[in-house]
Amino acid sequence: GAVVSQHPSWVICKSGTSVKIECRSLDFQATTMFWYRQFPKQSLMLMATSNEGSKATYEQGVEKDKFLINHASLTLSTLTVTSAHPEDSSFYICSRQGQGGYEQYFGPGTRLTVT
Amino acid sequence: DAKTTQPTSMDCAEGRAANLPCNHSTISGNEYVYWYRQIHSQGPQYIIHGLKNNETNEMASLIITEDRKSSTLILPHATLRDTAVYYCIVRVWTSYDKVIFGPGTSLSVIP
Repeated sequence: GAVVSQHPSWVICKSGTSVKIECRSLDFQATTMFWYRQFPKQSLMLMATSNEGSKATYEQGVEKDKFLINHASLTLSTLTVTSAHPEDSSFYICSRQGQGGYEQYFGPGTRLTVT
Repeated sequence: DAKTTQPTSMDCAEGRAANLPCNHSTISGNEYVYWYRQIHSQGPQYIIHGLKNNETNEMASLIITEDRKSSTLILPHATLRDTAVYYCIVRVWTSYDKVIFGPGTSLSVIP
């Protein structure tokens, strides 16, 4: 069964509003989780590394004030897209490391559409 | 992390073996070869990984050349559900290391 869940699976919001996406590790306490973004017909792009109890590490070019990441517990990381615009419309995916250390488990993704 | 090169797309007949190649000529000695796949509108799924020996699990086989500069993922009996984008990734195995995706190979399994 799924080991990483995301909520919501899809969301439509109006331009200028903020949207929060939740990522839960269902069977394992994850001190580190990852957030990706994927535009249509493109590969996944890593946005940031979410660290429990500390600040997230953002990849170059990702606006940390626009994409707020909170990892307040060992099973939950959240991504908030602030003041969303149509260009933020994308498929957002989170992941965590497997207990074996080698594989990563990915959530089912959240489809965000900003109108 | 080393760069990988994969064909953009491939077709495979249902029931036949799908052989997906990957070039990683700049791979370092401590870097592993990982394969993931992503079915349309879903999150990626781990398939298999290896260092230098050939590996097999319930999903696929991984063949790594002796010089480790290339590898092949083999799906022995492809089904329509194997239609997906397959990503070959080379990275050092660390507990909390991020995974960087390239463009991958879009595999279409044809009836």
